[in-house]
Amino acid sequence: DTGVSQDPRHKITKRGQNVTFRCDPISEHNRLYWYRQTLGQGPEFLTYFQNEAQLEKSRLLSDRFSAERPKGSFSTLEIQRTEQGDSAMYLCASSLGVPYNSPLHFGNGTRLTVT
Amino acid sequence: DQQVKQNSPSLSVQEGRISILNCDYTNSMFDYFLWYKKYPAEGPTFLISISSIKDKNEDGRFTVFLNKSAKHLSLHIVPSQPGDSAVYFCAARTNAGGTSYGKLTFGQGTILTVHP
Repeated sequence: DTGVSQDPRHKITKRGQNVTFRCDPISEHNRLYWYRQTLGQGPEFLTYFQNEAQLEKSRLLSDRFSAERPKGSFSTLEIQRTEQGDSAMYLCASSLGVPYNSPLHFGNGTRLTVT
Repeated sequence: DQQVKQNSPSLSVQEGRISILNCDYTNSMFDYFLWYKKYPAEGPTFLISISSIKDKNEDGRFTVFLNKSAKHLSLHIVPSQPGDSAVYFCAARTNAGGTSYGKLTFGQGTILTVHP
């Protein structure tokens, strides 16, 4: 399977703990996106990378959130000092850089539960 | 500010009939629109798209219509099949360029149930 891979699928953590998620995009895709989805809502944009450069961050991404894509391949999303409001599905997606209208391909997400 | 809205949380149709899912947007900078389908425990899957220079795009049983003046698009599925039961998301891209190039803004989704 050469789709977008996310690990872990589920994460339960206690409030105040740090968590890290990993995303492996489709290999030839140079763009990588992180989205967050809560119940009854559509995915909300968090941040995205073109190769290793982080080009945009949403206002939703507080300073407790940090994302990296060190070699332009896989990416990690870290949440420090988790809060109950961070409970959500975290989705990673990747796409080609060109053409501009290349669709995003999503992974199956990491479901985070903060207790 | 919800720039992409899907006002119907759910839709129920009979197998073989047409399903029509609607989406409204407010940002006139959007120039490319996509529909995604999502099954439980899976990520969204790309279904069909349309550029703002067109008013219709068809792919098999799926057709997307765009009315730019009304800032409205719709997805038609005909004939509907039980396997089409899923959550459908409308999404839009801006042509603003720069660092926003390529970012998608999603609607809240519509749950489609197709009854046998």
